Amino acid sequence: DIQMTQSPSSLSASVGDRVTITCRASQYINSLLSWYQEKPGKAPNLLIYGASTLQRGVPSRFSGSGSETDFTLTINNLQPEDSATYYCQQGYSLYTFGQGTKLEIK
Amino acid sequence: QLQLQESGSGLVKPSETLSLTCAVSGGSINSGHYSWTWIRRPLGKGLEWIGLVYHDGNTYYDPSLRRRVTISIDRSNNLFSLSLTSVTTADTAVYFCARGDYSNDSGWYFDLWGRGILVTVSS
Repeated sequence: DIQMTQSPSSLSASVGDRVTITCRASQYINSLLSWYQEKPGKAPNLLIYGASTLQRGVPSRFSGSGSETDFTLTINNLQPEDSATYYCQQGYSLYTFGQGTKLEIK
Repeated sequence: QLQLQESGSGLVKPSETLSLTCAVSGGSINSGHYSWTWIRRPLGKGLEWIGLVYHDGNTYYDPSLRRRVTISIDRSNNLFSLSLTSVTTADTAVYFCARGDYSNDSGWYFDLWGRGILVTVSS
């Protein structure tokens, strides 16, 4: 099984900040990585797929990078509505999610 | 815009069977391009993939749940279903249905999700 490890598990930042969330795969997954945003009571939202492709309708302040085993999600110019839990997911061999990163806006 | 909506019992007794349905509206479940997937989030934990079904009825399951899971598709009613047998309190979770999409450059990812349904396993 491919394990996905996210860090940090939680963070707090201010409006206008830039934040970075990292995701590490236990083995090579090429660029077959996606990022999701989950807010309480709402359907999770696909942000990024293919490690760096922005899903239609997602604000351009979200970006993804990385390949092979190490990946990052960056949120520029943080907004209040970005308060959520973020997950990475590998699509290389079946599907595994990271444990999530809870982002709080100060 | 295609939408997914989970429904089913929110309370299941230990050792019994959890049954959920995902209704797909605004589009057809018959597309051969997509997979139809169940994912759950146990309380206080991260997302867990459960399994998927294709339009032709082929299925794939997470190895740790394979013995207890059945996912089926009902093309005439545009819905797919999850059955999880012999449940324990560890199966208490928010259950999501989702549509899977694929490309060679991106692998499988889940582009549309339902809002989720909380299922509690308790006597």
